[in-house]
Amino acid sequence: GEDVEQSLFLSVREGDSSVINCTYTDSSSTYLYWYKQEPGAGLQLLTYIFSNMDMKQDQRLTVLLNKKDKHLSLRIADTQTGDSAIYFCAETGAGNNRKLIWGLGTSLAVNP
Amino acid sequence: GAGVSQSPSNKVTEKGKDVELRCDPISGHTALYWYRQSLGQGLEFLIYFQGNSAPDKSGLPSDRFSAERTGGSVSTLTIQRTQQEDSAVYLCASSLEGTRAYNEQFFGPGTRLTVL
Repeated sequence: GEDVEQSLFLSVREGDSSVINCTYTDSSSTYLYWYKQEPGAGLQLLTYIFSNMDMKQDQRLTVLLNKKDKHLSLRIADTQTGDSAIYFCAETGAGNNRKLIWGLGTSLAVNP
Repeated sequence: GAGVSQSPSNKVTEKGKDVELRCDPISGHTALYWYRQSLGQGLEFLIYFQGNSAPDKSGLPSDRFSAERTGGSVSTLTIQRTQQEDSAVYLCASSLEGTRAYNEQFFGPGTRLTVL
């Protein structure tokens, strides 16, 4: 069945790079997403990547996609304390780009 | 504010009672989704509306759960005869389909349901 897996916790020092990894099972996914959930706030789309791309960069964020291994990563450069949040990886469900299949989320803690 | 709103923000109920959760999507968004987020769990898809119809309700956990959407806008998720395992945060999201290939979903703040 469809499944998305992420490591649950990541701790980094302020100024370091953070890398959050995700694996998924549905090779037919057309888009993969990273959402951010800050304490007391709703989920927000952080970035997304189309499945025919292998990299997307947006300011401090770099998304890498290895479609062969079904592996997605989010790199945050120069991590700040304000980046502390839960990061969710999501993929589009098979044959339907409306339904998203979500990972459990990676809780990122940034230490000063 | 033109974001997705949900009410109530918190609901405490007794086991066996019925509850109704409301979602107001962003104006003009044709698609609406309900998810459930339990402690330590990811987002569990419940149901998806396109307009007033629900082409995918595969995630509803049991027949105690139902949802409707009227006027292509407001949606209500109803849980009958609540059980303790229904305790979770219920999230609603909406998206504007047809203009972009990718599906950016905009989330509401959620309703925290506690069943005693």
